[in-house]
Amino acid sequence: GESVGLHLPTLSVQEGDNSIINCAYSNSASDYFIWYKQESGKGPQFIIDIRSNMDKRQGQRVTVLLNKTVKHLSLQIAATQPGDSAVYFCAESTGGGADGLTFGKGTHLIIQP
Amino acid sequence: EPEVTQTPSHQVTQMGQEVILRCVPISNHLYFYWYRQILGQKVEFLVSFYNNEISEKSEIFDDQFSVERPDGSNFTLKIRSTKLEDSAMYFCASSVSREGAFFGQGTRLTVV
Repeated sequence: GESVGLHLPTLSVQEGDNSIINCAYSNSASDYFIWYKQESGKGPQFIIDIRSNMDKRQGQRVTVLLNKTVKHLSLQIAATQPGDSAVYFCAESTGGGADGLTFGKGTHLIIQP
Repeated sequence: EPEVTQTPSHQVTQMGQEVILRCVPISNHLYFYWYRQILGQKVEFLVSFYNNEISEKSEIFDDQFSVERPDGSNFTLKIRSTKLEDSAMYFCASSVSREGAFFGQGTRLTVV
């Protein structure tokens, strides 16, 4: 049968503004979450991770927020730069580790000059 | 910065042929993974490998697939008899603990 490609949500932000990328997950047993960035033709690049016993974790220019009540994850990127343009995936797993990550479909972040 | 290295970057094979995709994980990492991404689709988990054995595998990873760590540096994925639907980008990943898998650049497998 015909393979239908994913229609990625797109977020367009001005250079220098903050970006917020959202992800909903469905498995209430998921206890480990990772955000990845994927540029065209490259592999997923690890950005930041968070365990379910936390609700916030900060990295360099990035913050991940986890709301287990509504099964929602977000990635905040401060002062976005042209190099931030990419597809961003959230990934989740059960068992507390990177085994068997389930990836979301991704959000395409476009940085406007 | 250490990185996961995959070879070849692109592999074209005829349906029914065997292929071996090669990966050199980051040197001090102990956990190894294979994922794949069919064009336009989500990244999908295939298998994880630790302490010289498979620790978890998905439904995709059937008897046609196998993994091996033949020496201290390489980690391979073998597909015994390729099908058209095996065409995808195959990513190797590794991690020092069970957290934070780091991915390679991928091997694009095209089955014709």
